[in-house]
Amino acid sequence: KQEVTQIPAALSVPEGENLVLNCSFTDSAIYNLQWFRQDPGKGLTSLLLIQSSQREQTSGRLNASLDKSSGRSTLYIAASQPGDSATYLCAVLMYSGGGADGLTFGKGTHLIIQP
Amino acid sequence: EAQVTQNPRYLITVTGKKLTVTCSQNMNHEYMSWHRQDPGLGLRQIYYSMNVEVTDKGDVPEGYKVSRKEKRNFPLILESPSPNQTSLYFCASSLSRGPGRGYTFGSGTRLTVV
Repeated sequence: KQEVTQIPAALSVPEGENLVLNCSFTDSAIYNLQWFRQDPGKGLTSLLLIQSSQREQTSGRLNASLDKSSGRSTLYIAASQPGDSATYLCAVLMYSGGGADGLTFGKGTHLIIQP
Repeated sequence: EAQVTQNPRYLITVTGKKLTVTCSQNMNHEYMSWHRQDPGLGLRQIYYSMNVEVTDKGDVPEGYKVSRKEKRNFPLILESPSPNQTSLYFCASSLSRGPGRGYTFGSGTRLTVV
């Protein structure tokens, strides 16, 4: 059974710092890995999607990497801003033979950027 | 606008009273799923559907039913809700069951069962 772990569970840093959020998974037989952002009481907003054959994806100040063999992904946020404050979730999509077995989420990293 | 629409956004009900939470997507996505989010437990998958008339259990299917009669709709049914089903529920969709284009989530339904 796939398990996804995110470290740290919470992080508070001053504005302007570069930071790294970590995600690890136990079963490397994944289709893809996706990073989401969730604001309090709101839905999930997709940030980056990395296919299993890719090493990284970039969008603006965000960069996500994937090392499938070691079961790890990192989300790098450059020049953090107070508006980046949110919970960040990673999720892996499994495959087994003929199709996806479903989506497994980590519990998230609660990020606070201090002005 | 491409989106996943859930209704209602908020619902308070009593134990045992059947309810349905609707989910609709306008992106012609094949894959749809339901998740619940609870403090300390994160997001857990309830059911998913790879296409019309094809549904499968996720990690926590007990007490829930789903149906996929049309591609765009994937309702979540609680036949006899209990207080332990109080949670924040999300519906999601994806283009296909393969690597796909990633998931789009609805805004959530906050359910309270008293």
